Amino acid sequence: GAVVSQHPSRVICKSGTSVKIECRSLDFQATTMFWYRQFPKQSLMLMATSNEGSKATYEQGVEKDKFLINHASLTLSTLTVTSAHPEDSSFYICSAPEPLAGVGANEQFFGPGTRLTVL
Amino acid sequence: QQQVKQSPQSLIVQKGGISIINCAYENTAFDYFPWYQQFPGKGPALLIAIRPDVSEKKEGRFTISFNKSAKQFSLHIMDSQPGDSATYFCAASRGNSGYSTLTFGKGTMLLVSP
Repeated sequence: GAVVSQHPSRVICKSGTSVKIECRSLDFQATTMFWYRQFPKQSLMLMATSNEGSKATYEQGVEKDKFLINHASLTLSTLTVTSAHPEDSSFYICSAPEPLAGVGANEQFFGPGTRLTVL
Repeated sequence: QQQVKQSPQSLIVQKGGISIINCAYENTAFDYFPWYQQFPGKGPALLIAIRPDVSEKKEGRFTISFNKSAKQFSLHIMDSQPGDSATYFCAASRGNSGYSTLTFGKGTMLLVSP
């Protein structure tokens, strides 16, 4: 299957700082990527849909000014958590739809996740 | 509103036994039903998926049973092994004019005892 990577895998930062997380599709192009947040022992919650060449679409309740998404190229999307606070500590996971499937594609390939800890 | 309900929350099965996890959905527009396996500290990995035009799909020890009229689907893990111990998520999505987003169940933590 297609491979999606994330960097870094773990990050610890001080409250008030900003953290950037990268999501890359390694062997395919992804015009769309998805960002999820997962708290311990909970399910994945979709935060936003990242679109190459246009603005991201945020889910209800997600602050777009706090979680900045930039889909810089067909293989890279970044999530920047601005002015991070302890409550932002979570597992952040990105995914990309199956390549070559076109509009309406269903299968998504997930990255390995990034563990963010805000002190 | 939780669109995909998953049960049980946790499950303990003896090695060699059958693990069964159930999900129910509300939105009849859903047309893709995947199951994901997630190990601690890792991203979810697609295990098996089904579409509503079939009632069952089997891949190795993993089987999805789908009941369209009841709006339910389930995952059966035959001959469960300790290596199957993980959290399992069912999900659902629907085709539309863009890429489909997944709606996840709350997850089932499976422990297979040796």
